[in-house]
Amino acid sequence: AQSVTQPDIHITVSEGASLELRCNYSYGATPYLFWYVQSPGQGLQLLLKYFSGDTLVQGIKGFEAEFKRSQSSFNLRKPSVHWSDAAEYFCAVVVTGGGNKLTFGTGTQLKVEL
Amino acid sequence: GAVVSQHPSRVICKSGTSVKIECRSLDFQATTMFWYRQFPKQSLMLMATSNEGSKATYEQGVEKDKFLINHASLTLSTLTVTSAHPEDSSFYICSATRDRADIQYFGAGTRLSVL
Repeated sequence: AQSVTQPDIHITVSEGASLELRCNYSYGATPYLFWYVQSPGQGLQLLLKYFSGDTLVQGIKGFEAEFKRSQSSFNLRKPSVHWSDAAEYFCAVVVTGGGNKLTFGTGTQLKVEL
Repeated sequence: GAVVSQHPSRVICKSGTSVKIECRSLDFQATTMFWYRQFPKQSLMLMATSNEGSKATYEQGVEKDKFLINHASLTLSTLTVTSAHPEDSSFYICSATRDRADIQYFGAGTRLSVL
């Protein structure tokens, strides 16, 4: 069955430090890949997406993600974390031909220490 | 552009009553809307997919008579939780797309608490 794995449930980083959130997927074909951020009690905001082409994708708020087909991964990175980045981050995939349904990972809670 | 409004943001109701949640696309026509449920500190689980003018498609394990979904227009979908019970307490989030190739735009969610 298709699945999205975010191995890290919680991550704590110091403000100004770099960040990498991991995401792995299991599908036969290359899916469409997304990263969303959710602040407490809020909906989801799209950070970036990958459909095809350049495997390094730039998003909003200084985030980027790299698609690695060989590793079935789509890790999210940020060179320097700000305190306002503290939130829940979800990786998600859409399988082509799957009716545009999003399958979400379990999420990674990011805490930023000042 | 592509703003999705969800109302109410929070609702508290008594057990046995029904609650309606609205999801509106404010500046685009949404051919498809999705309804998700999110338990505390968990991921989003897709409940159903609704297309304008047709019956919703429910995911396995979701009771269609419990969670009534109506997508009467290209800008409005509603989720009605019928005869709500405490176990229905959750965070419900909707999303909308303009077409099958579009990304999903999310509402801010509705916190339902059933007493």
